[in-house]
Amino acid sequence: DTGVSQNPRHKITKRGQNVTFRCDPISEHNRLYWYRQTLGQGPEFLTYFQNEAQLEKSRLLSDRFSAERPKGSFSTLEIQRTEQGDSAMYLCASSLDNRDNQPQHFGDGTRLSIL
Amino acid sequence: TQLLEQSPQFLSIQEGENLTVYCNSSSVFSSLQWYRQEPGEGPVLLVTVVTGGEVKKLKRLTFQFGDARKDSSLHITAAQPGDTGLYLCAGELEYNFNKFYFGSGTKLNVKP
Repeated sequence: DTGVSQNPRHKITKRGQNVTFRCDPISEHNRLYWYRQTLGQGPEFLTYFQNEAQLEKSRLLSDRFSAERPKGSFSTLEIQRTEQGDSAMYLCASSLDNRDNQPQHFGDGTRLSIL
Repeated sequence: TQLLEQSPQFLSIQEGENLTVYCNSSSVFSSLQWYRQEPGEGPVLLVTVVTGGEVKKLKRLTFQFGDARKDSSLHITAAQPGDTGLYLCAGELEYNFNKFYFGSGTKLNVKP
């Protein structure tokens, strides 16, 4: 079990640039979640996928944010025209179908710093 | 306002002391999870509780789910420096499965 893998672990970029993060979930997990976590706060839900379908998006996910999971395996989160307020840890989690309260397994996140 | 309120926000104690962390809401949850997170890492699941009044024990950690499934507590007995970290509760609402709401966390520091 290799766990949930996220890369890059750290990303530093200038304001206005586009960034893309990748998440590789645990292989048999059909659900995949993206969260954002700022210092001193708990993770905030951004979006989740059931296989390749994006089923819910938070209002936090502005038009500059887009997430995909094209083949129902790995997922990407892209932020366009980054702003300083986008600086945060972006966490990915995966789980089996949650009707039976299956737990989420988190990756170690991508820390984004906007200069 | 957050759906789940955790208290206290910060806790600094000596090794060997006991402590309790609380997670409260006015909403009903179908399940509630407790995680521990260390700096630079993702949260690691400690326990899931699903039944009102449920008590689960994990070595020196005791987790309780409120009878009405609106609140939970985490009690640590004889804390050790290795318990240091950010403790997060997360709930799944009764009528909104698959979306998890996190509390803002309790940052615990156990001094040797």
